[in-house]
Amino acid sequence: GAGVSQSPRYKVAKRGQDVALRCDPISGHVSLFWYQQALGQGPEFLTYFQNEAQLDKSGLPSDRFFAERPEGSVSTLKIQRTQQEDSAVYLCASSLSQSPPDTQYFGPGTRLTVL
Amino acid sequence: KNEVEQSPQNLTAQEGEFITINCSYSVGISALHWLQQHPGGGIVSLFMLSSGKKKHGRLIATINIQEKHSSLHITASHPRDSAVYICAAPRGGNQFYFGTGTSLTVIP
Repeated sequence: GAGVSQSPRYKVAKRGQDVALRCDPISGHVSLFWYQQALGQGPEFLTYFQNEAQLDKSGLPSDRFFAERPEGSVSTLKIQRTQQEDSAVYLCASSLSQSPPDTQYFGPGTRLTVL
Repeated sequence: KNEVEQSPQNLTAQEGEFITINCSYSVGISALHWLQQHPGGGIVSLFMLSSGKKKHGRLIATINIQEKHSSLHITASHPRDSAVYICAAPRGGNQFYFGTGTSLTVIP
């Protein structure tokens, strides 16, 4: 199917390493979101793109977190100098329209474990 | 205080039981979403509703905008319904407040 895909599905990093998480949204979807989900918690918003423009990055927990979507399709979430508290599932979601609210389609997530 | 509260947090049911999950929110919204998350992280959108009731198979969602409350019901529950159910309220800019989820386990 042509759903949202994320890679890698699992990532183990040593503390201090940089990681890059990839999201392929549904083709044609304008909006793309990144969420962080800690164990037993609901998703927490990180950042939002409309096409290539990053319209909201208020949820990024620190300047170690950086996201980009240079061509308005694939997005990458980069975490520099990972810390143990960064361990979580990182979810990507996309939606078709620019007008809220709209159904978001979620990817399977990337489970990041920082040792 | 969370803008979106769910109850119960954990629920175990016998196969065939009728299940209700509740969601209360403190923000003014025009619609509410119910999501299903299976082990492994994949999230599926079940319903988006702004009034009344919606039904899809054995799932029924209701909402009372004035009382800021929504319920998700599962009739004749089955082990494959075991998942985390999350309600989400739009917060503008196509973003959402998410509840912490209700973890449902249906035992055969």
